Amino acid sequence: AQSVTQLGSHVSVSEGALVLLRCNYSSSVPPYLFWYVQYPNQGLQLLLKYTTGATLVKGINGFEAEFKKSETSFHLTKPSAHMSDAAEYFCAVSVRGGATNKLIFGTGTLLAVQP
Amino acid sequence: EADIYQTPRYLVIGTGKKITLECSQTMGHDKMYWYQQDPGMELHLIHYSYGVNSTEKGDLSSESTVSRIRTEHFPLTLESARPSHTSQYLCASSPGQGNSPLHFGNGTRLTVT
Repeated sequence: AQSVTQLGSHVSVSEGALVLLRCNYSSSVPPYLFWYVQYPNQGLQLLLKYTTGATLVKGINGFEAEFKKSETSFHLTKPSAHMSDAAEYFCAVSVRGGATNKLIFGTGTLLAVQP
Repeated sequence: EADIYQTPRYLVIGTGKKITLECSQTMGHDKMYWYQQDPGMELHLIHYSYGVNSTEKGDLSSESTVSRIRTEHFPLTLESARPSHTSQYLCASSPGQGNSPLHFGNGTRLTVT
């Protein structure tokens, strides 16, 4: 069975500082991995995804994530935080070869950006 | 811009009422999903659909029901709402392949008093 663990339910950084949001997954087969962002009172928006190929994936708003199979990790990073990055971030995994695109989500990390 | 629409955005109702949460998408996606989201918790899949006349229960048991009579429409119904149903409900759709991302609506925040 697949699962996702996000370390740190709350992360606070200063504007301009590095953002690092951690995600570890468990999957018996090679997974598809996703990061979503949720702004207040909105649905989830896709930031980036890993399917195959290059393990460093670039997404929207300057975010990127690296798939590390040996560490079963897919951490999200951004070199310089902006106030507009304050939101909740969800890591998700789906089954490669699955028919339904069912996503298993982590519990989310709330990112606060201090001026 | 949203291609998947949920109404209402907010709903406060009394115990025992029947409610239907609406979800429509204009992208022609075959697959649609309902997730339940509580603060500090992961999103839980409660229903999904492969296409018209196809519905399946998700990983989290729910007293709600769904229907899929048209491709674009996937409503969720609670026959008798209870305070334990208070939550945010997110609808999503996807075009099909396993690596296709889900497109989410803005959610319906339900409060049952």
